[in-house]
Amino acid sequence: EAGVTQFPSHSVIEKGQTVTLRCDPISGHDNLYWYRRVMGKEIKFLLHFVKESKQDESGMPNNRFLAERTGGTYSTLKVQPAELEDSGVYFCASSLQGNYGYTFGSGTRLTVV
Amino acid sequence: AQSVTQLGSHVSVSEGALVLLRCNYSSSVPPYLFWYVQYPNQGLQLLLKYTSAATLVKGINGFEAEFKKSETSFHLTKPSAHMSDAAEYFCAVSGPFTGGGNKLTFGTGTQLKVEL
Repeated sequence: EAGVTQFPSHSVIEKGQTVTLRCDPISGHDNLYWYRRVMGKEIKFLLHFVKESKQDESGMPNNRFLAERTGGTYSTLKVQPAELEDSGVYFCASSLQGNYGYTFGSGTRLTVV
Repeated sequence: AQSVTQLGSHVSVSEGALVLLRCNYSSSVPPYLFWYVQYPNQGLQLLLKYTSAATLVKGINGFEAEFKKSETSFHLTKPSAHMSDAAEYFCAVSGPFTGGGNKLTFGTGTQLKVEL
């Protein structure tokens, strides 16, 4: 079974530019999550999709962040315009309904300069 | 509201020695508790989870953790460290499901170093 796939693995962009991160969950996993780890800090929840619907987006920092999940399959997280404080590692994870414990992707390391 | 405290951002042990990584949690609802490990350049991997069954939970790679409600702790242990255990370890807590999924609150992580 393929795991959770994220790309790009690394992205370096200038302040003010737009970046789109993509996550392909494990096939059949209805739950998809985005988390972020800023340097030296804890991993923080951003949002949770159930299929194509946003179940909980309480962790989204501000309206520069837009997440979508087309047809309940892959998800994108767009940052527009990017700011320096958006730098960090963005993790995606997926799980089956009713299953504790996710499968995480390897993360996208975003650097805003 | 939930929170997790991991004592010690860096822990160093000798190969063959006991590994003890500390985790204390705060939760207003019965907690579900997790330990994840991140090896260099990899994603987070689930080591073990407590979901209100047995309080002593065994995980992969010889790790185990004990849920102690009275101490609000979920410390991770391994009797004998191996060089391959060097990684960053994260403790996390969640509440019950919402919409069939569960949101995790993580600690700040503990970097484990294993020395010869």
